[in-house]
Amino acid sequence: DSGVTQTPKHLITATGQRVTLRCSPRSGDLSVYWYQQSLDQGLQFLIQYYNGEERAKGNILERFSAQQFPDLHSELNLSSLELGDSALYFCASSGLGQSSAKNIQYFGAGTRLSVL
Amino acid sequence: AQSVAQPEDQVNVAEGNPLTVKCTYSVSGNPYLFWYVQYPNRGLQFLLKYITGDNLVKGSYGFEAEFNKSQTSFHLKKPSALVSDSALYFCAVRDMNSGGYQKVTFGIGTKLQVIP
Repeated sequence: DSGVTQTPKHLITATGQRVTLRCSPRSGDLSVYWYQQSLDQGLQFLIQYYNGEERAKGNILERFSAQQFPDLHSELNLSSLELGDSALYFCASSGLGQSSAKNIQYFGAGTRLSVL
Repeated sequence: AQSVAQPEDQVNVAEGNPLTVKCTYSVSGNPYLFWYVQYPNRGLQFLLKYITGDNLVKGSYGFEAEFNKSQTSFHLKKPSALVSDSALYFCAVRDMNSGGYQKVTFGIGTKLQVIP
């Protein structure tokens, strides 16, 4: 168990709808990352938050947004969903301390989104 | 910009034989390099990393990787493959000079199939 919790595990919705994916990072980790994994594009970095602030942005669509709350959990919002948004969405967390454990990302089990 | 290349979509190896999964990288500064493994329906799990020091890095489950600066490679190896090693393997790189924001770039993944 990585200590990163993602809910829900599975999500089935229709095109045009909006969904929210939730992530609770490992205890003490300040950084949260979101990734999209699809068969044709591999693992794509979407966005990173550190202690509530956006730190890095990857291939995130304008229809997608994220935030990290004061309790450090994060939510990824996907709107105006299209068939092509069907994928596995992973959250990862990491710490920025001085120990050797820094730089390692710990991944949740993912949310499988199916857009019908 | 940093990038990672995993030239093989799939690697097949007989159980008991040595295995190699290839990875090359490109960064502007010095690299942090990682290998992660993903089992079916699971999130990515950290295997090993190279930060500095010895070019041969040992990790979990008997895996090791060799950092080669001149060839900009970080190939994953194991002396004797197990059927349970069958999974998807991701190489990842972070530019050491990217500050505290830990933007990590993942390769597209290599599927390892160990044949009994």
